[in-house]
Amino acid sequence: EAGVVQSPRYKIIEKKQPVAFWCNPISGHNTLYWYLQNLGQGPELLIRYENEEAVDDSQLPKDRFSAERLKGVDSTLKIQPAELGDSAVYLCASSYSGNTEAFFGQGTRLTVV
Amino acid sequence: QQQVKQSPQSLIVQKGGISIINCAYENTAFDYFPWYQQFPGKGPALLIAIRPDVSEKKEGRFTISFNKSAKQFSLHIMDSQPGDSATYFCAALGGSNYKLTFGKGTLLTVNP
Repeated sequence: EAGVVQSPRYKIIEKKQPVAFWCNPISGHNTLYWYLQNLGQGPELLIRYENEEAVDDSQLPKDRFSAERLKGVDSTLKIQPAELGDSAVYLCASSYSGNTEAFFGQGTRLTVV
Repeated sequence: QQQVKQSPQSLIVQKGGISIINCAYENTAFDYFPWYQQFPGKGPALLIAIRPDVSEKKEGRFTISFNKSAKQFSLHIMDSQPGDSATYFCAALGGSNYKLTFGKGTLLTVNP
């Protein structure tokens, strides 16, 4: 069974440019998460979806970040415009439901120059 | 407010030794405590997890000890191997929004 798939693996952009990350969760997983991981730190939740609904987006900087999960499967996280401080690894994870084990993708490493 | 505190920040162990990583939590609504292992360039991978109705869970060389009254839990890696060298994160799940909260991680190095 395929795990959580993220793309791209790496992205380098100039500040003020837009960027988008894509995530395909494990088949059958209703819950999808986007996490931010800074170097040497633990993952921090940005947004959690239950099917199509964003049930927790309290940590998502909504002035520049947006996310969507159309049809309750794939998800896209967008940053517009990107800032230097957005350089980090963006992790997607999924679980069967909100109270079960979460499985992570390999992440997208974003570098803003 | 850091809801899950993890220590030590880094740990060096000789091959065959025991690695111990500790975590403490504040929110008594947490009811699921996983440990994740992360290698460089990879996403965190679930290693072992425990719920508060048991005090210990063992899977191979990995054991979680859980102390509900002290709000603490720890990961023990027996017979540590160089291949165990990675960053380990404790986490806790639960609360009003059922959010998975991570500790800051422990960089484990197992010397051959």
